[in-house]
Amino acid sequence: SYELTQPLSVSVALGQTARITCGGNNIGSKNVHWYQQKPGQAPVLVIYRDSNRPSGIPERFSGSNSGNTATLTISRAQAGDEADYYCQVWDSSMWVFGGGTKLTVL
Amino acid sequence: QVQLVQSGAEVKKPGASVKVSCKASGYTFTSYGISWVRQAPGQGLEWMGWISAYNGNTNYAQKLQGRVTMTTDTSTSTAYMELRSLRSDDTAVYYCARDGNYFPGWFDPWGQGTLVTVSS
Repeated sequence: SYELTQPLSVSVALGQTARITCGGNNIGSKNVHWYQQKPGQAPVLVIYRDSNRPSGIPERFSGSNSGNTATLTISRAQAGDEADYYCQVWDSSMWVFGGGTKLTVL
Repeated sequence: QVQLVQSGAEVKKPGASVKVSCKASGYTFTSYGISWVRQAPGQGLEWMGWISAYNGNTNYAQKLQGRVTMTTDTSTSTAYMELRSLRSDDTAVYYCARDGNYFPGWFDPWGQGTLVTVSS
C-alpha cells in the first residue's frame, strides 16, 4: 500500500518560514491535500490539490508538489499556527494520510 | 454555512455495535459524498470509508471490511456509520467529512467528532 512520510516535528521561530514535507513514491503525479489540526479540534483543510487555498485560509499558507516530495510552507509563522499537520492523497481506491507533523512556533 | 454536525459521545462494551450520525446543512447533500475518518488517542488520522450521498455507493477500507456499514438518509441529509464487533482498539474520535461524489475530492468541512469509548 502507498505510504506517506512526514517528519514527526518541525520547529520555527516566530515570524519565520516553516516547511513541512510529505514524501511518497512519485507523489508529484498525485493531488495532495493538507489539513491543520489543533488540540481537541477537528482537522481543517488548508491546502487542496497541491497548492490551492480554501477561502478563509491566510495567504501565508502555500503548497508545492514535485517528484517524491510535497511541501506545505507557512510564511511569517504565528503562535496560532501551532498544530498538527497532515498530508493526504488518493491511491488505489483509498485515501491515505501521512503520519502527521507537529509544528512548534518558538 | 456548510456544516456537519455529529451525534454525541458513546460508551460501548466489547462486542457491541455503535452507530454515529452526521447531519449536513448549507449545501445540496446529494451533490457530494461523505468520508469517515477515525483518530485513536494520541494517534494520526485513519480513513474508514466513503459513501456517495447521490446513489449510496460505498468504498470501505480493507481493514474494516465486514465490520463497517455506511448509509445515508437523503430526506434528512444525514449520513450514518455503523461499526460492529467493537474492540478496545476501536476507541477513537470518529469524524465525518464532506468528500467528492463521483471521484475523490478533498475533505471540507469536517464534523466536530464523536468520541467512541470501548470498555468493559
